[in-house]
Amino acid sequence: GAGVSQSPSNKVTEKGKDVELRCDPISGHTALYWYRQRLGQGLEFLIYFQGNSAPDKSGLPSDRFSAERTGESVSTLTIQRTQQEDSAVYLCASSLDRWNTEAFFGQGTRLTVV
Amino acid sequence: GNSVTQMEGPVTLSEEAFLTINCTYTATGYPSLFWYVQYPGEGLQLLLKATKADDKGSNKGFEATYRKETTSFHLEKGSVQVSDSAVYFCALIPSYNTDKLIFGTGTRLQVFP
Repeated sequence: GAGVSQSPSNKVTEKGKDVELRCDPISGHTALYWYRQRLGQGLEFLIYFQGNSAPDKSGLPSDRFSAERTGESVSTLTIQRTQQEDSAVYLCASSLDRWNTEAFFGQGTRLTVV
Repeated sequence: GNSVTQMEGPVTLSEEAFLTINCTYTATGYPSLFWYVQYPGEGLQLLLKATKADDKGSNKGFEATYRKETTSFHLEKGSVQVSDSAVYFCALIPSYNTDKLIFGTGTRLQVFP
């Protein structure tokens, strides 16, 4: 497809379960970002990748959160032992190359932990 | 550190009113500045950008000028429409050697006929 694709679009999970969120960036985009958007709040930076490496992991809220990227393409964000406070929309974005280029966002994955 | 501060919303205006949404930033380097918009039910999309001091970004009647002396990048539009109702996010990339995109908390704009 032409845009950033995220799956699933919605996920309801029980507290304590692990979840995996997927992002397929635009082909050829080397930078990839994950953000979290809680209801009524702004975008919270989680992690970004340049190629397959993650120079900045400072936004990951706890060691329950991890992310990886392979082949300079798809990325997965894994949340282990989910908690209710993890409920949010998780957004992925990609951009072509370094600095001042437009980031294209996916529609997000709405995660609800019950 | 690097951060973006936006005015809190919601901003409520009548159609054809003048809009200003304030944005100020803190950056350790020479940042690029952006405004992103999120229309209801849609993903974020770039509205405009400026990459150096005194640059003016513009798109769809919106403008913002990169003011280094006041570390600001305020968004303006001379005459808003109902279709401009959305959440607006100011953002920056701190410097040339990073791609980290830092957002403000967003400002909701509601325009009534």
